[in-house]
Amino acid sequence: SQQGEEDPQALSIQEGENATMNCSYKTSINNLQWYRQNSGRGLVHLILIRSNEREKHSGRLRVTLDTSKKSSSLLITASRAADTASYFCATAHITGGGNKLTFGTGTQLKVEL
Amino acid sequence: DTAVSQTPKYLVTQMGNDKSIKCEQNLGHDTMYWYKQDSKKFLKIMFSYNNKELIINETVPNRFSPKSPDKAHLNLHINSLELGDSAVYFCASTLGVAGNIQYFGAGTRLSVL
Repeated sequence: SQQGEEDPQALSIQEGENATMNCSYKTSINNLQWYRQNSGRGLVHLILIRSNEREKHSGRLRVTLDTSKKSSSLLITASRAADTASYFCATAHITGGGNKLTFGTGTQLKVEL
Repeated sequence: DTAVSQTPKYLVTQMGNDKSIKCEQNLGHDTMYWYKQDSKKFLKIMFSYNNKELIINETVPNRFSPKSPDKAHLNLHINSLELGDSAVYFCASTLGVAGNIQYFGAGTRLSVL
C-alpha cells in the first residue's frame, strides 16, 4: 500500500484564494517533504519539515506536521495562476540502505484567473 | 546549466526491444535514483545508488538493470520491453543517504507499442 495518501485528489480555486492540501502516512518518518510538478516536467522541491518540527514557513507556503496523527498539510496563500501544478508529499524513512522517499498520490491544483 | 539531465526526453519503441535511458548530474551529489511515474502520476522508487553502490532495489523485474559508472551518472537499461513499461521515468540525485532534498530530471516518457 502507498505510504502517502493525499487529499483532495484535485482542487480548483480562484486566484487570490488559499489552497490547502493534506497528506497522511503510515510509518515513522525522519522528515516529510513537499514537491511541485508542473505538467510535463520533473518534480521541484518546495519545503522540508523534520519529524521534530510542527510548522514551517517559506514565502507563501506553510507546512504543518502532526506526527501523532501521521499527517501533514500544505497551505499556499494568495494563490496565483502559476501555482497550477500537482503537489506531492514525500516521507523520508530509514531502510536498510539509508533513507528513501516515498511519495504520496498527489493533489492536482488548478488556480483560475 | 541543467542540474540533472536525462536523455532521451521521449522514447517510442516496440515490444520486445531493449532500450537505455541515461542520467547525469552536475551537482556534486553522491546518491542517485530512478523513479517510475505511471499514468495516474503515482511515483515509485525503483533503484538508488550511493557512490556507485546499489543501496535500494525495490521489487522491479530483472529486465531492468541500472548501472552507475561514476557518482555523476546513473543509467537504466531495460530488456524485452513490455506494454506495462510505458511510463515516465525520472532520475533524481541528492547528497548523502539521510533523506535530504532530491533534485529531479525532466523525465523520459517511454511509450511501448
